[in-house]
Amino acid sequence: EVHLVESGGGLVQPGGSLRLSCAASGFTFSDYWMSWVRQAPGKGLEWVANINQDGSEESYVESVKGRFTISRDNAKNSLYLHMNSLRAEDTAVYYCARAPYSYGTRSFDYWGQGTLVTVSS
Amino acid sequence: SSELTQDPAVSVALGQTVRITCQGDSLRNYYTTWYQQKPGQAPVLVIYGKNNRPSGIPDRFSVSRSGNTASLTITGAQAEDEADYYCNSRDSSDNPHFVFGTGTKVTVL
Repeated sequence: EVHLVESGGGLVQPGGSLRLSCAASGFTFSDYWMSWVRQAPGKGLEWVANINQDGSEESYVESVKGRFTISRDNAKNSLYLHMNSLRAEDTAVYYCARAPYSYGTRSFDYWGQGTLVTVSS
Repeated sequence: SSELTQDPAVSVALGQTVRITCQGDSLRNYYTTWYQQKPGQAPVLVIYGKNNRPSGIPDRFSVSRSGNTASLTITGAQAEDEADYYCNSRDSSDNPHFVFGTGTKVTVL
């Protein structure tokens, strides 16, 4: 059974940094693209970043480009999101999701339970 | 980047049919995926591709598309279908970015 478990969220001051982790199990992690998706309190879903199977391709939503870095360690079956220069508007629940290719696009077929990041002084 | 627009809320009587629409230019070129999210829970994939449902998703969920509009139809809505629904698609061929719709709250009366 596929499991994705996020960790690393918490309270951080504006301008601070945080690293989120996502531990994957139940599938061959190195075979899949992975993504981070966030949801601000009471708001909708927002795609944040993708990474390909070997970590050689990354893509980001414009609002986090240059501040966030997605990475992975296939030996540890883990996905990461390094977040720098955090802003109040980055406050959200951050989900990791598996992102297989299908029909010319990607679906997010499994999701973790999410980890809350709060940026506030 | 593209935007995907959904109606904020719709309601449906128990056992009746409801359609949720998603509009955006990128939908002319790419299939839409649909997610269901209940309060306090992570989203769940309900439909992808032409009309594919993951294991465990009932066949009362179906999709259609026309031009820049994709639709998710729930035929014979059940109480457990009350949730927020989000569409999602690729942004454009120029970049591997993805965009979610604004979300639709479905209330089953």
